[in-house]
Amino acid sequence: GQSLEQPSEVTAVEGAIVQINCTYQTSGFYGLSWYQQHDGGAPTFLSYNGLDGLEETGRFSSFLSRSDSYGYLLLQELQMKDSASYFCAVEVTFGTGTKLQVIP
Amino acid sequence: DTGVSQDPRHKITKRGQNVTFRCDPISEHNRLYWYRQTLGQGPEFLTYFQNEAQLEKSRLLSDRFSAERPKGSFSTLEIQRTEQGDSAMYLCASSLGAGPQETQYFGPGTRLLVL
Repeated sequence: GQSLEQPSEVTAVEGAIVQINCTYQTSGFYGLSWYQQHDGGAPTFLSYNGLDGLEETGRFSSFLSRSDSYGYLLLQELQMKDSASYFCAVEVTFGTGTKLQVIP
Repeated sequence: DTGVSQDPRHKITKRGQNVTFRCDPISEHNRLYWYRQTLGQGPEFLTYFQNEAQLEKSRLLSDRFSAERPKGSFSTLEIQRTEQGDSAMYLCASSLGAGPQETQYFGPGTRLLVL
């Protein structure tokens, strides 16, 4: 079976940096994806790591360590609109999701 | 590119009734996925198609659920003899490529309420 674990909730201040962790146990592994989902909305793709290391896309970065079965999403210069749920995913298996609340 | 569309957006039905949902993927995308999502949870994989072939079904997909993609374009998901536990958001996603690690583009979902 496959499972991905994430913290359920994170709160951070506007303008700050927040890291959302993801640990996975999978039978096969091509890479780790991250999706954002606002309340009532559909998941939207943020980032993908196929290899170990850091991928940067604007304010968002994602990191992968295959040897540790671990990855994280880093959000910088937080904005109120970043308040959403964030999911890590391996192929068609999604994590439990982390609800991020950005406060003024 | 109009994105992934789903119809209907909302469905209320009585227990025991059959319901059918439609998904229109991004036109050139060869892969189409169905997921179910309940409040506070991540999307839960149901099944996926590569073109018209249904390549994988989750063990969670009971025999009351069936999906088709007859011409490799749009897809339908039917739930027979609905139960209250079927109440959820049903999401469709599509991707272009050879593997499930390709970026998936999600539709807005169909919210089902079984009374």
